[in-house]
Amino acid sequence: DSGVTQTPKHLITATGQRVTLRCSPRSGDLSVYWYQQSLDQGLQFLIQYYNGEERAKGNILERFSAQQFPDLHSELNLSSLELGDSALYFCASSVIPTPTGELFFGEGSRLTVL
Amino acid sequence: TQLLEQSPQFLSIQEGENLTVYCNSSSVFSSLQWYRQEPGEGPVLLVTVVTGGEVKKLKRLTFQFGDARKDSSLHITAAQPGDTGLYLCAGVPLGGNEKLTFGTGTRLTIIP
Repeated sequence: DSGVTQTPKHLITATGQRVTLRCSPRSGDLSVYWYQQSLDQGLQFLIQYYNGEERAKGNILERFSAQQFPDLHSELNLSSLELGDSALYFCASSVIPTPTGELFFGEGSRLTVL
Repeated sequence: TQLLEQSPQFLSIQEGENLTVYCNSSSVFSSLQWYRQEPGEGPVLLVTVVTGGEVKKLKRLTFQFGDARKDSSLHITAAQPGDTGLYLCAGVPLGGNEKLTFGTGTRLTIIP
């Protein structure tokens, strides 16, 4: 158990819909990262927050947005969903703001868009 | 194009055999990490290599960081079924944008 909690574990929805994925980092970790893992793309970095502020941005689509709340949990919002958004979405956390130390990953949220 | 290329992409070997997987890039990294991911779980850190030429051992696993800090390898001796999983290298390029980039992954299956 990494200490990072992600909900929901599985989500099935239709194209055009909007979903919210939730992540609670390890106790004491201020950094939260979101990654997308699909079969043909590997783990793709989406976005990072540190203590409530956006720290780094990857190839996150404009249809996607995220935020980190004062209690440090984070949410990833995916809207106008397309078939190609079907993937595993991982949240990871770490103590320090730079991703050079160990990242602790949750078990992921599997999104299926039909 | 991927910043970190791993090879082979898939590897299936018998229990007890040795194997090596590779992580290559044209970029220099301040450090490289290796993660293992099992089905239904998130990646778990195995090791971080920092110094060019560094070799780290974790029981039957040996990790090496290339002298030029552009590549790394993972060697497993006497593979066990418990070694089965997806092996991912990851790193932040020097002078980069502090984004941890993951390699393409090697999916390893150890046959009992």
